[in-house]
Order: sequence, then C-alpha cells, then structure tokens
Amino acid sequence: DAGVIQSPRHEVTEMGQEVTLRCKPISGHDYLFWYRQTMMRGLELLIYFNNNVPIDDSGMPEDRFSAKMPNASFSTLKIQPSEPRDSAVYFCASSYGPNTEAFFGQGTRLTVV
Amino acid sequence: QKEVEQDPGPLSVPEGAIVSLNCTYSNSAFQYFMWYRQYSRKGPELLMYTYSSGNKEDGRFTAQVDKSSKYISLFIRDSQPSDSATYLCATSSNFGNEKLTFGTGTRLTIIP
Repeated sequence: DAGVIQSPRHEVTEMGQEVTLRCKPISGHDYLFWYRQTMMRGLELLIYFNNNVPIDDSGMPEDRFSAKMPNASFSTLKIQPSEPRDSAVYFCASSYGPNTEAFFGQGTRLTVV
Repeated sequence: QKEVEQDPGPLSVPEGAIVSLNCTYSNSAFQYFMWYRQYSRKGPELLMYTYSSGNKEDGRFTAQVDKSSKYISLFIRDSQPSDSATYLCATSSNFGNEKLTFGTGTRLTIIP
C-alpha cells in the first residue's frame, strides 16, 4: 500500500479564497483523522471519522472549516473563506481501529497570504 | 498552561552520544504515553508507547514515565545521523487516537 496520500503538498492562496485539502486513507482503515500542526500549538486533532461518519468535530476551530468523507477512500477538508491564521501544515491520518496505530500522510503545507 | 509541555529545542549532539528528550504533562488522568518521530517534510510516525509508569526499551530507544512527577522521557543511545528529526510526545487517558494530546515537538540534530 502507498500509505496515506494527501494532495496538494503545498498550497498558497489569498485571504478570502476557498481551500480544499484532499486525503486518501490506507485501504481497509476505518478511521480517518484530520490534524493541524503549527509551531505554537503543535499537532491538534480537528475532526475524525469512523466508517465515513464524522464522530467528533469539536477540534474544528470555526464554521469556516468543514470536512467530508463521501466514501471509504476519500476525504476533504475545506476552509472557506481562508485567513492568514489558517496557515499551517494539515495532516490526514488513518487507522484500522480506534486503538491501533494511526498512519500519517505527508501533509499539506498551507500558506494564506 | 498547555496540558503537555515540550522543550522545542533545537538540540544538537555529536554522533554516538546519548540523547534525552523530555515532556511534562498536567493531567493526572493520562495513562498512555507515546513518542512520535517526524522527519522533515513528513508526517509523524509512532516510535514507542508505554502504559502507566516505568520503562520500555526497543533497541537503542528507551521510553520512561514518572507519573509521580508527570514527566516522560525518551532516551536514544548511540545516536546516529538518521535519528535527526523532530520528536513529539503524546499522552492520553485512553488508548485511542482521538484522545491524544501532543507536545509541540523537539527538533534534534545528530552531528556526524
């Protein structure tokens, strides 16, 4: 398996624009997690899904953030409208079960100018 | 106060030295403790995990937990240039990926 695949690797956008980050989890993994990583706050869980259903989105910072998982092999994280403080590295991770190792993708480095 | 505090470094040591990486946490309910390694421009990968207090050894790596002082450590023996990475500690009260609280990471460089 190629692991968790995220796209794009880098995204530079202007403030106010819509940004969509994409993730393909490892096949057979039932859990999918979206994290955000910054120097100041470290790695923070935004939302996670189980069998394509959002379970906990309490980490989503604002209504500008939304996430979907239309099927077992694809998820998106959308920011609309984007703001400079959203600049961070966004990681997607997947795991077979809730208590098994989560495997991370390589991340999307988002810069909002 | 953050629930998990970690010195960001950077930390530079010569090859072959023993490295000590540390975190402190504030929530006494935390029972599971993990260390992740993150290479530059990559996602974190689980290195080791321990439950409750005590030591756990895996090759050159030793994870140590002192719940009385809420202090967790990762020791790397015979450090290699390939160990150069950012090391993140993480804790939780339950062993579940959705419950993890991460430190901000310590950037480590092993100098050949």
